[in-house]
Amino acid sequence: GAVVSQHPSWVICKSGTSVKIECRSLDFQATTMFWYRQFPKQSLMLMATSNEGSKATYEQGVEKDKFLINHASLTLSTLTVTSAHPEDSSFYICSAEPGGRVGTYEQYFGPGTRLTVT
Amino acid sequence: ELKVEQNPLFLSMQEGKNYTIYCNYSTTSDRLYWYRQDPGKSLESLFVLLSNGAVKQEGRLMASLDTKARLSTLHITAAVHDLSATYFCAVDILGTYKYIFGTGTRLKVLA
Repeated sequence: GAVVSQHPSWVICKSGTSVKIECRSLDFQATTMFWYRQFPKQSLMLMATSNEGSKATYEQGVEKDKFLINHASLTLSTLTVTSAHPEDSSFYICSAEPGGRVGTYEQYFGPGTRLTVT
Repeated sequence: ELKVEQNPLFLSMQEGKNYTIYCNYSTTSDRLYWYRQDPGKSLESLFVLLSNGAVKQEGRLMASLDTKARLSTLHITAAVHDLSATYFCAVDILGTYKYIFGTGTRLKVLA
């Protein structure tokens, strides 16, 4: 149980275009989803917290107009990278936290999406 | 500033040896998680530590949590090549559901 999927697993796009990444919880409802980015050989950095039906909360330094997050349902959150630039190339990982569980507060991580902007 | 530091950052060890990875954090928390990441892959959950004094073991790995010292350890016993990966700890910020990840420890086990 507690499976999170991401689509696509990898994407190459040209500078100036927009890319949408989907994050789905497959066998549970996720009150909260999180988006991380990871540069090569570095740790994961939290970008934003996404709650179903409300606006995402962005971490300091993350441009909310550039990284649009929509948590349309309890099983789906999307991250859209707008007007992508080569410096946006990274590994984007989402996670989901099942609402209603007591005690663990554990996040379940998706397989990641590798974005390359040319 | 919230910090989660791991040491060592890099670890090269011989098969059969023991070693410990340390995770120090600066915020108040009583929940800490350990993950493994293989190159090009996402995170694999290893341990969930939910209280002071928690100790969990799985195979050659054992994790512990001391919330008073704000320290967690991941102990490797009799390392094998298959344990080569990057290991991250993550601290759950009290009162939120957000994680702050440690700097990561890249482990290479030499045959």
